[in-house]
Amino acid sequence: EAGVTQSPTHLIKTRGQQATLRCSPISGHTSVYWYQQALGLGLQFLLWYDEGEERNRGNFPPRFSGRQFPNYSSELNVNALELEDSALYLCASSKSGGSPSTDTQYFGPGTRLTVL
Amino acid sequence: AQRVTQPEKLLSVFKGAPVELKCNYSYSGSPELFWYVQYSRQRLQLLLRHISRESIKGFTADLNKGETSFHLKKPFAQEEDSAMYYCALSGGYNKLIFGAGTRLAVHP
Repeated sequence: EAGVTQSPTHLIKTRGQQATLRCSPISGHTSVYWYQQALGLGLQFLLWYDEGEERNRGNFPPRFSGRQFPNYSSELNVNALELEDSALYLCASSKSGGSPSTDTQYFGPGTRLTVL
Repeated sequence: AQRVTQPEKLLSVFKGAPVELKCNYSYSGSPELFWYVQYSRQRLQLLLRHISRESIKGFTADLNKGETSFHLKKPFAQEEDSAMYYCALSGGYNKLIFGAGTRLAVHP
């Protein structure tokens, strides 16, 4: 079974530009989660999508947005990039959007975003 | 406030020694806690969840509500246990709140 895939692996942008990160969940999974891991920090929850709808959002400004497509893949968009947006962005998927205690979140390899 | 604290950035032990990775949490409701692990050049993966009361790869973790802790323990460390370990809390609506992580280094 193929795991969660993310593209691109690395992304370099300059301040003020927009970045688009993509995630394909495990086949059969309907929920996608986005996390940010800045250097020296733990993962911080960004967004949760399930069945095409945004279900929950972390404490991030509105310039972080995303969507989920009918095939359950997802896109994270970061507008007006700032230097502190440089981080590893991890995507995870789960089967049905249940509680993490019963519906494991499986993580992808991440996209490393560097803002210059 | 919902928070997970892992006080040690690095824990260095010798093979065969006991290991305890500390995790403390702050949560007003009934907590759901997890340990995730990331081995070198691999993805972050679930190690264990408190609700299952399971032992994975010899690791166990007990939820102590009085001390608001969920420490990860293993009686005899192996070199292959060397990895980054993250404690996490389910913060409602499927949001996982992670600690900053502890790097475990097991030396031969």
